Amino acid sequence: SQQGEEDPQALSIQEGENATMNCSYKTSINNLQWYRQNSGRGLVHLILIRSNEREKHSGRLRVTLDTSKKSSSLLITASRAADTASYFCATVPNNAGNMLTFGGGTRLMVKP
Amino acid sequence: DGGITQSPKYLFRKEGQNVTLSCEQNLNHDAMYWYRQDPGQGLRLIYYSQIVNDFQKGDIAEGYSVSREKKESFPLTVTSAQKNPTAFYLCASSRVGGTEAFFGQGTRLTVV
Repeated sequence: SQQGEEDPQALSIQEGENATMNCSYKTSINNLQWYRQNSGRGLVHLILIRSNEREKHSGRLRVTLDTSKKSSSLLITASRAADTASYFCATVPNNAGNMLTFGGGTRLMVKP
Repeated sequence: DGGITQSPKYLFRKEGQNVTLSCEQNLNHDAMYWYRQDPGQGLRLIYYSQIVNDFQKGDIAEGYSVSREKKESFPLTVTSAQKNPTAFYLCASSRVGGTEAFFGQGTRLTVV
């Protein structure tokens, strides 16, 4: 069973618009991470937010975490065609050692 | 050049054969992971290891086996018991403690 589920499954926007992706998870977590995957490639780590943090920024990325709702969101501002990729959230559950489990991902297409 | 290397990039297997996928890292990470990704889907955890000579089953371990004889290496064997092995396989490593994971470029396995 997957710990995280992303919403929407697919998102298509115009260049310059903002993209928001959501992630829900089931159990209490140590931290939540977001990754990006270009088609047919490995994943690249974007940002990590700990369970005691509510918001984190990195460049054009903004991540929020609501542990009471067991949810997180990733906002990409001023999107570019090069942001086209799949985005995954991953969680490290409490009491699960190092086990990093992923959701199903959001496929983002940014049209030039 | 530090990183994580998977080989081969493409692998073809005849039905009934065992095949072994290689994963090597020189990042001095204690934790290593194997994931399976089907087309358009998220990552499902097969096995993970937090220390040499120890590993734990993930959600879909049936039909797979691993070993962790060296810190740098975490090979995955896809056995003939795995009935639907055609997929994209991703290896990752991280420091212990649920920190960011670094991914290899993946091995695409096809049963012919």
